[in-house]
Amino acid sequence: QKEVEQDPGPLSVPEGAIVSLNCTYSNSAFQYFMWYRQYSRKGPELLMYTYSSGNKEDGRFTAQVDKSSKYISLFIRDSQPSDSATYLCAMSPPSGGSYIPTFGRGTSLIVHP
Amino acid sequence: DSGVTQTPKHLITATGQRVTLRCSPRSGDLSVYWYQQSLDQGLQFLIQYYNGEERAKGNILERFSAQQFPDLHSELNLSSLELGDSALYFCASSVGGGRQGFSGNTIYFGEGSWLTVV
Repeated sequence: QKEVEQDPGPLSVPEGAIVSLNCTYSNSAFQYFMWYRQYSRKGPELLMYTYSSGNKEDGRFTAQVDKSSKYISLFIRDSQPSDSATYLCAMSPPSGGSYIPTFGRGTSLIVHP
Repeated sequence: DSGVTQTPKHLITATGQRVTLRCSPRSGDLSVYWYQQSLDQGLQFLIQYYNGEERAKGNILERFSAQQFPDLHSELNLSSLELGDSALYFCASSVGGGRQGFSGNTIYFGEGSWLTVV
């Protein structure tokens, strides 16, 4: 079992839909939870991160963490064709000398007009 | 543009050969990370350097090696290449090396080097 599990999709939605992307994990030491967006043939870019449990909102994006269930989500409201990309979740433990994230395999999202 | 520069962007080479991938981190960043991304394995951490010294090691094969130079650029050397080494190799950088809090260790990725082994 991989430490971080993520459905590769693809997930296809119409423009304007609410998108829900999810990851599960097995390492209870993870405290930082990140979402990266990767466009085709580009490097991943950090969208947002949260610490421990709870919600965080940034514009149309909302990240949720449920540590009791070891489950994290990214919601995208009013999705746009420009949101079409692969979304990777990533997680890291607190300090101890390293915040190197462990990544999920990514979910491919397609938003069609 | 993340500010992380990788060369070459594309590389095709034969099995058994050796290649070197080069990375220049963002201005001011002291840490460099190397990742391998393939369809079956996803994004896998290989190795991290901080200010010239190895800081952390991940799933890096013995045929692979890396170093970070005094000017902070880094090179990833891949030798005795096999078909299965075909992948996208990313360099990333961060300000910190793990002891400066999470914000100081946020990593920024380059656009990758596509390696095809034939």
